[in-house]
Amino acid sequence: GESVGLHLPTLSVQEGDNSIINCAYSNSASDYFIWYKQESGKGPQFIIDIRSNMDKRQGQRVTVLLNKTVKHLSLQIAATQPGDSAVYFCAENKIQGAQKLVFGQGTRLTINP
Amino acid sequence: DARVTQTPRHKVTEMGQEVTMRCQPILGHNTVFWYRQTMMQGLELLAYFRNRAPLDDSGMPKDRFSAEMPDATLATLKIQPSEPRDSAVYFCASGFEVSGRAFFGQGTRLTVV
Repeated sequence: GESVGLHLPTLSVQEGDNSIINCAYSNSASDYFIWYKQESGKGPQFIIDIRSNMDKRQGQRVTVLLNKTVKHLSLQIAATQPGDSAVYFCAENKIQGAQKLVFGQGTRLTINP
Repeated sequence: DARVTQTPRHKVTEMGQEVTMRCQPILGHNTVFWYRQTMMQGLELLAYFRNRAPLDDSGMPKDRFSAEMPDATLATLKIQPSEPRDSAVYFCASGFEVSGRAFFGQGTRLTVV
């Protein structure tokens, strides 16, 4: 079945360090994999996505890596800042047929000063 | 700055009452999602619309929940009758069919007492 899960529920890093958040997925038919950031009291905010035919995509301070061999997705945040503190969700989306945007449970990232 | 708008932001109601949550998707988006977020279950997909047609509502309790899109600018989620276990934050999101990303509203925090 379809499921998206996360390896760690919490992650603490020092300000300025790099963060890596990991995610495992099980639906090989997904077309996109997406990372969202959710701050307290707000809705999830899109960060970056990657198509299933890619293995790496970079954005501003963020990089997403996709390893289809082991069905693993990761989000790397460079030079973390206090504003990066939030819950991060990975999600997968299959856009053909009955589209479903399915979310994992989330990882809480805390940035220590 | 285009955004998904949800009303109300907060709703407290008594068990057995009808609750209606509204969502205005971003103009031009052709997909709309409804999610429910709780601490225990995370982000659960309740319903999905493409071009206003319901494509998937398998995650929604059919006996009490209903989702509609009367027009392209309005999506509604109704609960009748409401129960305490329905207490959660309900999110609406919209996007384009061919893209992996969806944009979320601020959510409606529902408390059923």
